[in-house]
Amino acid sequence: QLLLQESGPGLVNPSETLSLICSVSGDFFDTNTYFWGWIRQPPGKALEWLGTIYYGGSPRYNPSLKSRLTMSVDVSKDQFSLRLNSVTAADTAIYYCVRRPYCLSCRYFDTWGQGVQVTVSS
Amino acid sequence: IVLTQSPGTLSLSPGDRATLSCRASQTIASNYLAWYQLRPGQVPRLLIYHASSRATGIPLKFSGSGSGTDFTLTIDRVEPEDFAVYFCQQYDGSLDSFGGGTKVEFK
Repeated sequence: QLLLQESGPGLVNPSETLSLICSVSGDFFDTNTYFWGWIRQPPGKALEWLGTIYYGGSPRYNPSLKSRLTMSVDVSKDQFSLRLNSVTAADTAIYYCVRRPYCLSCRYFDTWGQGVQVTVSS
Repeated sequence: IVLTQSPGTLSLSPGDRATLSCRASQTIASNYLAWYQLRPGQVPRLLIYHASSRATGIPLKFSGSGSGTDFTLTIDRVEPEDFAVYFCQQYDGSLDSFGGGTKVEFK
């Protein structure tokens, strides 16, 4: 069974960069038939799709975050990552890493990590 | 596409049937709608995709229905492990979006 586990700092200073890693275990890190991505949930708000990436392809980002967001995949480490720069309090949220099947009509997320709480505060 | 879920909170007793609604601001083509369950301290899980297809390992008591702008998640005979928050997600528009969630709580 595939497991996803987020890791990263729980507290980030305003204006700095948030970096998160999602470690893949329990099954083959199949970068050919799945997209990999991130979703977050600010306190008291709905889930928000941040972006997805396919190994060897161009990532797709939420337009509202595109200028600040970078995603990448490291197959040698069975990991994928997120970097969000110039963070503000509005970026405080639970961040989830997710997997999505690789097909045009399959933009749902079939596997999730447990989530990591990130707070932006000085 | 904006998704509105109702009710915000559903208070039920074990054995009750839960009916959760997800309404879209415009027609969702090809029923590109999914439902997820989030329990505190647990990994979120996909329940339903394409509006009515159960994900792998999801019990028969969970069913999805609907089309166009109105979709429903039904949970037959709610059990203690079903008390959670449920979100719908549309993946028809250029930007995936989620509803605000329905909390199913113990009455």
